[in-house]
Amino acid sequence: GAGVSQSPSNKVTEKGKDVELRCDPISGHTALYWYRQSLGQGLEFLIYFQGNSAPDKSGLPSDRFSAERTGGSVSTLTIQRTQQEDSAVYLCASSLVAGGRNTGELFFGEGSRLTVL
Amino acid sequence: GEDVEQSLFLSVREGDSSVINCTYTDSSSTYLYWYKQEPGAGLQLLTYIFSNMDMKQDQRLTVLLNKKDKHLSLRIADTQTGDSAIYFCAELGGTGRRALTFGSGTRLQVQP
Repeated sequence: GAGVSQSPSNKVTEKGKDVELRCDPISGHTALYWYRQSLGQGLEFLIYFQGNSAPDKSGLPSDRFSAERTGGSVSTLTIQRTQQEDSAVYLCASSLVAGGRNTGELFFGEGSRLTVL
Repeated sequence: GEDVEQSLFLSVREGDSSVINCTYTDSSSTYLYWYKQEPGAGLQLLTYIFSNMDMKQDQRLTVLLNKKDKHLSLRIADTQTGDSAIYFCAELGGTGRRALTFGSGTRLQVQP
């Protein structure tokens, strides 16, 4: 597709359930990022992929959060045993790495809004 | 770790200039960015500046960088109602994490 695509756009779940959020980056973009945007907060970095590997997982808030990327394309963010504090908009972004150096121009999806009841 | 701070809210009248400020802590920052988020939409890159520059102008947008004070600003000339949005400052560090660190965003409200 032309842009970064995320699904679902909205997800309401009950506390304790697992959720999966999907991101389809721009074709050819090798870097993929997950951020979380909570009400009144900035963007909180979660994890970054270069290809299929994740050099930086330092932002994942707990071991309930995991992410994978397969085929250097689609990524899935999984939250196990969701808690109310997980409610947020989860934003995915991708970027084209030029010459092995990431100039940081990120292209964002519209986000997946997660509500945990 | 890296930190980026912005004021939360700015209100201006249509036609006036808007200045949104940002401070950051990472002295090894290589690039600094301004992103815009309109209601219900993802973030879009507005402009960016390399750390060895002190000014960049792009139509109505002027970015000023004071590297000594680690201060970045975005000036929007002749602000229009369509400029109402949240503006995020972000920085890319020169070492370690290869992902942008964002500020909390400044909500710009343009009064007609």
